[in-house]
Amino acid sequence: KNEVEQSPQNLTAQEGEFITINCSYSVGISALHWLQQHPGGGIVSLFMLSSGKKKHGRLIATINIQEKHSSLHITASHPRDSAVYICAVKENGGATNKLIFGTGTLLAVQP
Amino acid sequence: ETGVTQTPRHLVMGMTNKKSLKCEQHLGHNAMYWYKQSAKKPLELMFVYSLEERVENNSVPSRFSPECPNSSHLFLHLHTLQPEDSALYLCASSQEEGRAGYGYTFGSGTRLTVV
Repeated sequence: KNEVEQSPQNLTAQEGEFITINCSYSVGISALHWLQQHPGGGIVSLFMLSSGKKKHGRLIATINIQEKHSSLHITASHPRDSAVYICAVKENGGATNKLIFGTGTLLAVQP
Repeated sequence: ETGVTQTPRHLVMGMTNKKSLKCEQHLGHNAMYWYKQSAKKPLELMFVYSLEERVENNSVPSRFSPECPNSSHLFLHLHTLQPEDSALYLCASSQEEGRAGYGYTFGSGTRLTVV
């Protein structure tokens, strides 16, 4: 079992819908990242969280450290939001900033 | 452009070839990473260099050989690869400050196909 689990694995939405992607982890962490990967491979960091909530444009990320859970929300979704969204955590006590990754959520937003 | 540049973007090589992947960052970061992304699997950490010293090697086969000549450049030398090594190889960099993931930045990756 992976230390970082995401749900759903695949998500199809209609343009304009509110989208939620969930991430649960089983280790103690010092931070959690939400990443976006478009076809072609490049990964973009969306958020880094250690507590509470962050917002950037139509994207909102929340984290509950006690419950070991984070969510990524997309409001007013658009076809250009179609991508793989990856949750990754930095485990407590690690000597370096290496991350543990979830398998990703493939989002397709249809016009 | 994220600030981490990988070349080439695509590479096809035979099993007897020797090739190298290159990663370059000018973000002032002092740690660099190689990750492997295979289909349907999470990203796997291959190597970590911090302050130009290898600090972690996740039991990667010796046919993959990393090199970090300075804090801005990272190479992955490839030789006698197998078809199952075909994957997307991603480079990342970060600033090691004793806390998590500060300035963690990925490159666009090299799509490697071994034939």
